Amino acid sequence: ELKVEQNPLFLSMQEGKNYTIYCNYSTTSDRLYWYRQDPGKSLESLFVLLSNGAVKQEGRLMASLDTKARLSTLHITAAVHDLSATYFCASPPTGSNYQLIWGAGTKLIIKP
Amino acid sequence: GAVVSQHPSWVICKSGTSVKIECRSLDFQATTMFWYRQFPKQSLMLMATSNEGSKATYEQGVEKDKFLINHASLTLSTLTVTSAHPEDSSFYICSTSGRGTSTDTQYFGPGTRLTVL
Repeated sequence: ELKVEQNPLFLSMQEGKNYTIYCNYSTTSDRLYWYRQDPGKSLESLFVLLSNGAVKQEGRLMASLDTKARLSTLHITAAVHDLSATYFCASPPTGSNYQLIWGAGTKLIIKP
Repeated sequence: GAVVSQHPSWVICKSGTSVKIECRSLDFQATTMFWYRQFPKQSLMLMATSNEGSKATYEQGVEKDKFLINHASLTLSTLTVTSAHPEDSSFYICSTSGRGTSTDTQYFGPGTRLTVL
């Protein structure tokens, strides 16, 4: 069974701290996606990682991909309250370009 | 990025009625469309996939006669929840991918919150 597992599922942290969300996947794809969802809202694309060793950064968020370990990380640097949201990672099953298998999501709460 | 709209953004209906949700790609040709549902505090569950010129492919456990999907054109897909019941209450999200966009990602609509009384 193809799985995408996120860890942790819930994270409460103080502003200014650093932390990492982990995403393990069992597909053989070399693509990994990160999305953000605010309460009651739809999903916003954050990062698309397309190859082994890919690293992308946007503001205080940085995502990386290790296809050999089938692991992606989303690192938060000096967290601010505005980053509070639920973060999902997703990976396509082998042979599919568009269909995605989703992680359970990591709910991140950043306290002022 | 590409723009996807959904209508309505929320709907409340009585049990037994049918509800139609529209998903439109505003600036590209959506050759592939996905419909998801999401229960509170849960991840997305793919309901069905439709490709240009073909019928929707439903995921296991999703009743195709209850959740009618029509990929009417390259810019419009509709999901009709027939004879809705309270257990159908959920957040329904469409996503699209296709010509004129990056092939590397899906673009999500804003979602439709359905409440069945």
